[in-house]
Amino acid sequence: DAKTTQPTSMDCAEGRAANLPCNHSTISGNEYVYWYRQIHSQGPQYIIHGLKNNETNEMASLIITEDRKSSTLILPHATLRDTAVYYCIVRNSWGKLQFGAGTQVVVTP
Amino acid sequence: NAGVTQTPKFQVLKTGQSMTLQCAQDMNHEYMSWYRQDPGMGLRLIHYSVGAGITDQGEVPNGYNVSRSTTEDFPLRLLSAAPSQTSVYFCASSHDRVIANYGYTFGSGTRLTVV
Repeated sequence: DAKTTQPTSMDCAEGRAANLPCNHSTISGNEYVYWYRQIHSQGPQYIIHGLKNNETNEMASLIITEDRKSSTLILPHATLRDTAVYYCIVRNSWGKLQFGAGTQVVVTP
Repeated sequence: NAGVTQTPKFQVLKTGQSMTLQCAQDMNHEYMSWYRQDPGMGLRLIHYSVGAGITDQGEVPNGYNVSRSTTEDFPLRLLSAAPSQTSVYFCASSHDRVIANYGYTFGSGTRLTVV
């Protein structure tokens, strides 16, 4: 399974865009990139996923490089409620989600 | 539509006791899985199931058993609780394991303490 590398933490000002990077240099051609977040001690929440095209939904945008070795999650207008741990995950064909340590994002007023 | 329901929310066990953590989903999802999360760490996969009657091991299966007799339920059994199993346990489900067009839905967790 492909592994991911994320920064341990990052800060973001409220109202500004938050850009969360993720490296997945060993990703296979049929593996998707998923992003989840976990607020405090709640269960993880699905944000977005993609294969090779950029994706956007009501929560965020996902930018995947052409070689698929890295991606960036963009929260366009961060709010205090976006403070959470964000996980970048590569999902294999059997659907197993394997979580890393994630990025602790703190949004400040 | 309740999503993924986990019971109990909190539990304290003595070392050596056994118990079952319950997980139920009402979304007709084929795929279900159990994770544990230790303080300050990410989630680790314990066991998973791709459909009724089929289960397989994840990263940290030792000390746990699962079964999947129905599509809706996926209980996790602790055979003989140990302090190392103190953790928060999350159950998750997904519609299809192969077509990666669905996100996983997670339950709210069971906080287990073994003393």
